[in-house]
Amino acid sequence: EAQVTQNPRYLITVTGKKLTVTCSQNMNHEYMSWYRQDPGLGLRQIYYSMNVEVTDKGDVPEGYKVSRKEKRNFPLILESPSPNQTSLYFCASSLLVGQGDAKNIQYFGAGTRLSVL
Amino acid sequence: QKEVEQDPGPLSVPEGAIVSLNCTYSNSAFQYFMWYRQYSRKGPELLMYTYSSGNKEDGRFTAQVDKSSKYISLFIRDSQPSDSATYLCAMTLYSSASKIIFGSGTRLSIRP
Repeated sequence: EAQVTQNPRYLITVTGKKLTVTCSQNMNHEYMSWYRQDPGLGLRQIYYSMNVEVTDKGDVPEGYKVSRKEKRNFPLILESPSPNQTSLYFCASSLLVGQGDAKNIQYFGAGTRLSVL
Repeated sequence: QKEVEQDPGPLSVPEGAIVSLNCTYSNSAFQYFMWYRQYSRKGPELLMYTYSSGNKEDGRFTAQVDKSSKYISLFIRDSQPSDSATYLCAMTLYSSASKIIFGSGTRLSIRP
């Protein structure tokens, strides 16, 4: 079954305690991305990766790090979490195919709800 | 001003009604337009994907893009209670999906 798997699904932590949210996909997709979803603001892109060792900033990268050492994994790292990073986080992946191709569908994980106290 | 504006709702309509969901955007360079559906406690799933201006139909769903007005719409015919969800519009410059901008989502409720 095609899947994007995030862990953990729920996390409560304290300010300053480093944490990692893992994301793994089993579809051999080149493209992976992290989003945060906040009420009234919709989905905002944090970081994305076009392939192994290729990452770039989205709209709201401050306070986050990512790495792409393997094609299937794209962890999101919060080195020193703060309360304003309390949010619902989604990982997504897709193929990278030619222009105009409707196969560029992004598959989303089920989400990680993070609370930073 | 946000790049993509979407009325948050909530929108409540009776079963069987035609639903119209809309987004406006400010960047005339956007070329690819998408609609996602998100059920409560789930990740978004792609509903419709359109390139440039025009209409695209898929079953009960029709997506419209008017690039001259910077306005996109999603129509749902014969709406069902199972259509109750949050609908997010999204758009990107390139089909390679490098940077996607989402609307804030419209919460839709279909009353039986």
